[in-house]
Amino acid sequence: GAGVSQSPSNKVTEKGKDVELRCDPISGHTALYWYRQSLGQGLEFLIYFQGNSAPDKSGLPSDRFSAERTGGSVSTLTIQRTQQEDSAVYLCASSYRGFQPQHFGDGTRLSIL
Amino acid sequence: EDKVVQSPLSLVVHEGDTVTLNCSYEVTNFRSLLWYKQEKKAPTFLFMLTSSGIEKKSGRLSSILDNKELFSILNITATQTGDSAVYLCAVFYGGATNKLIFGTGTLLAVQP
Repeated sequence: GAGVSQSPSNKVTEKGKDVELRCDPISGHTALYWYRQSLGQGLEFLIYFQGNSAPDKSGLPSDRFSAERTGGSVSTLTIQRTQQEDSAVYLCASSYRGFQPQHFGDGTRLSIL
Repeated sequence: EDKVVQSPLSLVVHEGDTVTLNCSYEVTNFRSLLWYKQEKKAPTFLFMLTSSGIEKKSGRLSSILDNKELFSILNITATQTGDSAVYLCAVFYGGATNKLIFGTGTLLAVQP
């Protein structure tokens, strides 16, 4: 596609449920990133993929968070046993290669009741 | 601790005014600094600055980096209501990762 596509755009779920967020990067972009944006906060790095490998997972807040990327394309961020503090906008970005401008999707707004 | 600090936090101007947004940083192994504009959803890329003292321009927007004093400015001349947005500054963290460290942004409101 022309840009980074994320789904769903909004997700409301109950505390304790698992959620999966999807990111479809720009075609040909080898690098993919997940960030989280909470109200009043800057974007917080979660994880970086180069191809299907994740050289940097340092931003994942806890072991309830995991992510994978398959075929060097689509990525899924999974949050298990969601907590209220997980409520945020989750943004995905991709770049042609490392240290190039990252292009962002519209994000998934996650609300935990 | 690596950090990116933006100022002011928010700014209200009238159409036609010129604004200057500031970004200072302390990041290990600095590589580049980027500016983004965020309206409602996706941040959109504006500039990437790597070399000190070289101005980048796009229409009414321009930006420059000082990597000795560790700051950058984003200038917007002849502001329009469509410039209203949050402007984000981010720095590439050095090493093997390509992660960006973001400031909290400057909220710009341009009034008619």
